[in-house]
Amino acid sequence: DQQVKQNSPSLSVQEGRISILNCDYTNSMFDYFLWYKKYPAEGPTFLISISSIKDKNEDGRFTVFLNKSAKHLSLHIVPSQPGDSAVYFCAASAKNAGNMLTFGGGTRLMVKP
Amino acid sequence: DGGITQSPKYLFRKEGQNVTLSCEQNLNHDAMYWYRQDPGQGLRLIYYSQIVNDFQKGDIAEGYSVSREKKESFPLTVTSAQKNPTAFYLCASSIRQPPYGYTFGSGTRLTVV
Repeated sequence: DQQVKQNSPSLSVQEGRISILNCDYTNSMFDYFLWYKKYPAEGPTFLISISSIKDKNEDGRFTVFLNKSAKHLSLHIVPSQPGDSAVYFCAASAKNAGNMLTFGGGTRLMVKP
Repeated sequence: DGGITQSPKYLFRKEGQNVTLSCEQNLNHDAMYWYRQDPGQGLRLIYYSQIVNDFQKGDIAEGYSVSREKKESFPLTVTSAQKNPTAFYLCASSIRQPPYGYTFGSGTRLTVV
């Protein structure tokens, strides 16, 4: 049973437009959420996170929104740049699972010049 | 600079041979993890260790073994019992207190020839 799901395996966006990556979860005990970015043949790097006490966190071009009632989070990238082309993973940690993260399956973002 | 180092970057193994992937961190992190990524797939947890001399199986531990004799090191052995070992292997580490997040190594691409 996948507790964290990224239902879109890929997304294509024009440079300068907004990219919206979505993530759904089922475990109501999740209280901290992260987004990682991964280039081919490299390890994922941390992008942005949000605690369940907030509904929005912003860092430059990246904003994460959390809708707890819908068990849904999204990552917005504005404006999108070709260098943003990568695989994005959302991850979650639960109050009763300590430091263990549960990852989604990833979404491949392609930003076209 | 603190970080997590995986070696080698590329590794070729003959069928029937065991091979060990190295993972070293100087971040003073207590917890370490091994993940496997197959093409177009997400991250699957192989083994994790929360503390020295202790480790637990993840979702796909069959055919793998680990040791955690030092805080800094968490080597992964891919044994001949692993039926499909060709994959990209990622090591990560983390603290055990919130906020949680993993630091990943750059990965090892293992190919069975």
